[in-house]
Amino acid sequence: DAKTTQPPSMDCAEGRAANLPCNHSTISGNEYVYWYRQIHSQGPQYIIHGLKNNETNEMASLIITEDRKSSTLILPHATLRDTAVYYCIVRVVMNYGGSQGNLIFGKGTKLSVKP
Amino acid sequence: KAGVTQTPRYLIKTRGQQVTLSCSPISGHRSVSWYQQTPGQGLQFLFEYFSETQRNKGNFPGRFSGRQFSNSRSEMNVSTLELGDSALYLCASSIGTPGNTIYFGEGSWLTVV
Repeated sequence: DAKTTQPPSMDCAEGRAANLPCNHSTISGNEYVYWYRQIHSQGPQYIIHGLKNNETNEMASLIITEDRKSSTLILPHATLRDTAVYYCIVRVVMNYGGSQGNLIFGKGTKLSVKP
Repeated sequence: KAGVTQTPRYLIKTRGQQVTLSCSPISGHRSVSWYQQTPGQGLQFLFEYFSETQRNKGNFPGRFSGRQFSNSRSEMNVSTLELGDSALYLCASSIGTPGNTIYFGEGSWLTVV
């Protein structure tokens, strides 16, 4: 079972920031928080990941609470192309090579960006 | 840099037949995983290969199998197809070292009739 809880759906106005929450209250010390999104009929697209510090890249920002029990993905200026299902995943990062580990997907949040 | 490439993108098979799907990982990536996505069950992990060896396996029947070649390319096979095997099959690749990111292909849509 997925170790994360996300709201099933959210709306966001185009041009505004989209803040997608994720609860992972049972996260372990060696587990990272990963975010992927899936636009209809396409493969999941990697967005960002983090362990305990906030992270930012060209797509989004990831804010992880100090106790690591929840996080928020921020799309700073949402566009219609950001309409997708967003998955928050906790993933054990192996300490050895030879395995990427499997991702356990939940149902994600369906984000609808509206004009 | 080319992404994860999956072929074919779409295919239709009849119950009882078998199917083989192919995946070419990103250049330099040695780990390949397969996932099945259906409306009812969502995205589920099938298996993972690294250096031609299966490293992890999900909870799927033995009709689902895979292999990896020396060039890291991978194939998955489903034998004795059932209607419930209709799904999007996704391949994902990564370097295979700790902390690396997993990248997905666009998937192969399989319809069983």
